[in-house]
Amino acid sequence: DQQVKQNSPSLSVQEGRISILNCDYTNSMFDYFLWYKKYPAEGPTFLISISSIKDKNEDGRFTVFLNKSAKHLSLHIVPSQPGDSAVYFCAAKRENEKLTFGTGTRLTIIP
Amino acid sequence: NAGVTQTPKFRILKIGQSMTLQCTQDMNHNYMYWYRQDPGMGLKLIYYSVGAGITDKGEVPNGYNVSRSTTEDFPLRLELAAPSQTSVYFCASSRDDLMNTEAFFGQGTRLTVV
Repeated sequence: DQQVKQNSPSLSVQEGRISILNCDYTNSMFDYFLWYKKYPAEGPTFLISISSIKDKNEDGRFTVFLNKSAKHLSLHIVPSQPGDSAVYFCAAKRENEKLTFGTGTRLTIIP
Repeated sequence: NAGVTQTPKFRILKIGQSMTLQCTQDMNHNYMYWYRQDPGMGLKLIYYSVGAGITDKGEVPNGYNVSRSTTEDFPLRLELAAPSQTSVYFCASSRDDLMNTEAFFGQGTRLTVV
């Protein structure tokens, strides 16, 4: 039972354009969401997060949007750079429970 | 700034062999975790610990054991390796389990059981 789903295994975007990575969840009790970025042969690193009381959080080129009614969140990267090429995991949790990860989306930025 | 260190990075085991994956963190974090990542799948929690002497099962604990004798170390033990345990294993730590606390991950151990 995959409670956090990333339906696009891969995404290719031209350098300088916007990258949009999507994530859907089924558990309406989740109230905190995170995005992690993973390069090959490295562990995931934290990128950005959002709590359920917000619908948007911005950090430089990265913005996460949360639509609670649709149980959907997205990560926008503007402008996309070659160094953004990586696998992106979304994750969700309830208070006092552990993170549940999605399956990941491999983003490739085309120079 | 070591963070979370895992050893070894790669290992090939024969069916039935045993091994210990080592994990140590130097951030004085209370919480530590072991995840596995199978191809095309997200990270699945194997075991976690909320402090020295305390461990608990995650989603996929079968075939594994852990111990937490110190704050720094959280080894994962495979007693009888099986092909289904072929995976990439990640150790992580976090300061606590509050909502806005990120987890820091090690570089991973790629394990193949043949």
